[in-house]
Amino acid sequence: AQKVTQAQTEISVVEKEDVTLDCVYETRDTTYYLFWYKQPPSGELVFLIRRNSFDEQNEISGRYSWNFQKSTSSFNFTITASQVVDSAVYFCAPSFNKFYFGSGTKLNVKP
Amino acid sequence: DTGVSQDPRHKITKRGQNVTFRCDPISEHNRLYWYRQTLGQGPEFLTYFQNEAQLEKSRLLSNRFSAERPKGSFSTLEIQRTEQGDSAMYLCASSLSAVHRGQGELFFGSGTQLSVL
Repeated sequence: AQKVTQAQTEISVVEKEDVTLDCVYETRDTTYYLFWYKQPPSGELVFLIRRNSFDEQNEISGRYSWNFQKSTSSFNFTITASQVVDSAVYFCAPSFNKFYFGSGTKLNVKP
Repeated sequence: DTGVSQDPRHKITKRGQNVTFRCDPISEHNRLYWYRQTLGQGPEFLTYFQNEAQLEKSRLLSNRFSAERPKGSFSTLEIQRTEQGDSAMYLCASSLSAVHRGQGELFFGSGTQLSVL
């Protein structure tokens, strides 16, 4: 069975700090996709980034970057120069046709 | 297109009653998913469709839950004989998946908050 672990339940940072959210998953599949979602206090889940399992090149998109390592089944997400508006719950979601969500990491960014 | 819409936004019902929720996905999306989310937890998979075919249903889901997607457009989720443990946010999401582009991201609706008294 697929399993997603987001070990950090809650993180608090001060604005402008960088923050990395960890995600580890279990799978026997060789081809899959990886996603990060954000759920702000308003409640609606918002797509952030998508990565496929056969391309381990790490990328940067604005203030977001991610580090995917297939060998360790980890897909970590970094926000650079955090802002108060980044405060939300962040979910890692590997997809093997259906999406599996971790329990989320609550990020508090303080001014 | 205004995105994924769900109706109703809130539903309060008494234990033992049946409830039905509706989801209208983004029109060109071929996949539709139902998830359930309780406070402090991530979304939990319930079932998903590709076009009108229901491809998978969670083994955790009791037979009181049923979902349909006639004609591959909107979908309904019905819960029969509701129990207090069914109280949760029910989320619908859609995506576009194709061989040449792989698994697309999920677009979520605002959800239906169910309260069973």
